[in-house]
Amino acid sequence: KNQVEQSPQSLIILEGKNCTLQCNYTVSPFSNLRWYKQDTGRGPVSLTIMTFSENTKSNGRYTATLDADTKQSSLHITASQLSDSASYICVVSVPLGGSYIPTFGRGTSLIVHP
Amino acid sequence: DTGVSQDPRHKITKRGQNVTFRCDPISEHNRLYWYRQTLGQGPEFLTYFQNEAQLEKSRLLSDRFSAERPKGSFSTLEIQRTEQGDSAMYLCASRPTKTSGGANEQFFGPGTRLTVL
Repeated sequence: KNQVEQSPQSLIILEGKNCTLQCNYTVSPFSNLRWYKQDTGRGPVSLTIMTFSENTKSNGRYTATLDADTKQSSLHITASQLSDSASYICVVSVPLGGSYIPTFGRGTSLIVHP
Repeated sequence: DTGVSQDPRHKITKRGQNVTFRCDPISEHNRLYWYRQTLGQGPEFLTYFQNEAQLEKSRLLSDRFSAERPKGSFSTLEIQRTEQGDSAMYLCASRPTKTSGGANEQFFGPGTRLTVL
């Protein structure tokens, strides 16, 4: 079972609408939780980074929340734009040996239609 | 461009051939990571370096895979005797050892897409 589960797998919304993407993780402890945006054929680009003690982090129209008790995170996108069409990936840093290694979810594929 | 660069961007090879990819991290970034990403999946950790030292390797990194970072700057990932299952996007990322604020952001390159025929 993947340690980082994302839902929905895919989402289609109209331009201008808001949406919320979910991330559930099972690992504990963890160093930080990150959300990345990945355009097709490109490397991921960081949107937000939260340590386990943070509850929310905003980056423009992107707002991430973290509930360490329920091990859930969400990414809320406000007033979506066509350029928001991409895969959004949740990443939790998992202890491995003496390091924390990023563990990626499978991503949510978002399509924004005009 | 001062971001992470990877070369080549695309590689098509025949099964059984060896391939080598290169990653140039952001200058002064101590840590360098390699990931593999297949279609519809998130990236999977392969290995990472702290300067020239390879500190962790995933079980995904079979003995056909080898990574080096000889001078603590650029890194190479070699796959020997390629198999069709090796077809994937190979991503490189770098970050400094510590950043202000406590949380460490990784900066990804554009990836090398490998197709094994």
